Amino acid sequence: DIQMTQSPSSVSASVGDRVTITCQASQGIRNWLAWYRQKPGKAPELLIYAASSLQSGVPSRFSGSGSGTDFILTVSSLQPEDFATYYCQQTNSFPLTFGGGTRVEIK
Amino acid sequence: QVQLVQSGAEVKKPGASVKVSCKASGYTFTMYALHWVRQAPGQRPEWMGWINVDNGNTEYSQNFQGRVTITRDTSARTAYMELSSLRSEDTALYYCVREGATFWYYFDYWGQGTLVTVSS
Repeated sequence: DIQMTQSPSSVSASVGDRVTITCQASQGIRNWLAWYRQKPGKAPELLIYAASSLQSGVPSRFSGSGSGTDFILTVSSLQPEDFATYYCQQTNSFPLTFGGGTRVEIK
Repeated sequence: QVQLVQSGAEVKKPGASVKVSCKASGYTFTMYALHWVRQAPGQRPEWMGWINVDNGNTEYSQNFQGRVTITRDTSARTAYMELSSLRSEDTALYYCVREGATFWYYFDYWGQGTLVTVSS
C-alpha cells in the first residue's frame, strides 16, 4: 500500500494568513493526488484533483502543486470557513489511501 | 443538483452484518462509479472499495479480508455496501462517494454518512 504522510499535523493561523500543507507519498504517484477539506461534523469536500486542478466551485485561494512523491496545498488567505482538517489522497493505485490530516486552528 | 442520500444509523453486535444503502439523484446514475469510504472517530478516511455502476464490476481493499460486498440496483439508482463479521473496530461513519471522472479515483460528491456502531 502507498503510505501518505502529511505535515504539519496541526497549524495555528489567523484570518488572512497564508498556509501551506505538505503531503509525501511513500512511492512515486506522478500527479495522482487529491486534496479535501473537512469541517467538523461534515463530510470531506474536494478542493484539488490531479495535484493542481481546482475543483469547480472551489475558491481560487486554494492551490496545489507537486508531482512524484512531494505535494503542497496552499491557502493564500485563510477565511473563517477554512479552519478545518485537510486530507490528501493518492489516486494512483488501489488501495486508495489518505494522509493523516492537518488541522488548521485559529491562533 | 447531485445528491447521495444514505440510510440511517445502525447498531450491531459483534459478528453480525450491516448493509448500508446510498440513493443517487441529480445525474445519470450509470455514468459515474461509486466508492465507499469509512472514517473512524478522529481518524483518517479509509477506502473500502468501488463499483462500476454501469457493468457492476467491483474491486475491494484487501484490508477488509473479503468482508465487504458492494452492489447496485440501477432501476432504483441505489448502491449498497455490506460489511460482515463486524467487530468493534468497524465502528465508524461510512460514506458513499462519487468518483469525479472515470478512473481518476477522486471523489467529488459525498453522502451524508451513516454511523455504524458495533457493540455488545
